Amino acid sequence: AQRVTQPEKLLSVFKGAPVELKCNYSYSGSPELFWYVQYSRQRLQLLLRHISRESIKGFTADLNKGETSFHLKKPFAQEEDSAMYYCALYNQGGKLIFGQGTELSVKP
Amino acid sequence: KAGVTQTPRYLIKTRGQQVTLSCSPISGHRSVSWYQQTPGQGLQFLFEYFSETQRNKGNFPGRFSGRQFSNSRSEMNVSTLELGDSALYLCASSPQPAGANVLTFGAGSRLTVL
Repeated sequence: AQRVTQPEKLLSVFKGAPVELKCNYSYSGSPELFWYVQYSRQRLQLLLRHISRESIKGFTADLNKGETSFHLKKPFAQEEDSAMYYCALYNQGGKLIFGQGTELSVKP
Repeated sequence: KAGVTQTPRYLIKTRGQQVTLSCSPISGHRSVSWYQQTPGQGLQFLFEYFSETQRNKGNFPGRFSGRQFSNSRSEMNVSTLELGDSALYLCASSPQPAGANVLTFGAGSRLTVL
């Protein structure tokens, strides 16, 4: 079954510390993966997608097919990064499957 | 450019009633997807419409239905409401069929079932 797993419900770090939000997926084909973010009182929005291989707001994510992972990383967390982060997988059947989400809290 | 608009934003219903939620996509977007968001289950895919046709459906009972009009606006309906239907219902649009395309989300319609 296609599944996206975000093992951490809550991740708390201090400002300036590195952050890694974990995402593992199960999918037999070539996955298309995304990270969406929801800041407090804002709409869910795209942060980045793996095919773009870009860095957004200092965040990067690398697809590791061997480990079936797509972890989101940032070397130095900022307080404004505090938000809910969702990893999502597009299956070729046309559905975008979301993980349960990880709440990132960056403390001053 | 107006974003995805969902109405109503908040509503309260009682068990057994039915509800209709509306979603107006970004102008030019022809795909509309619906998601249910709850604290326990997270974001769960309901269905997707493209050019007035349902492309995909999630694992929800038949009480959940939807449709899309020729102007790409979409509605979803939940009949015989249950307490467990209390959730934030999110609509998202994209220019082409969803998945490979980036989804733009609305603010959601928060449904409370008493």
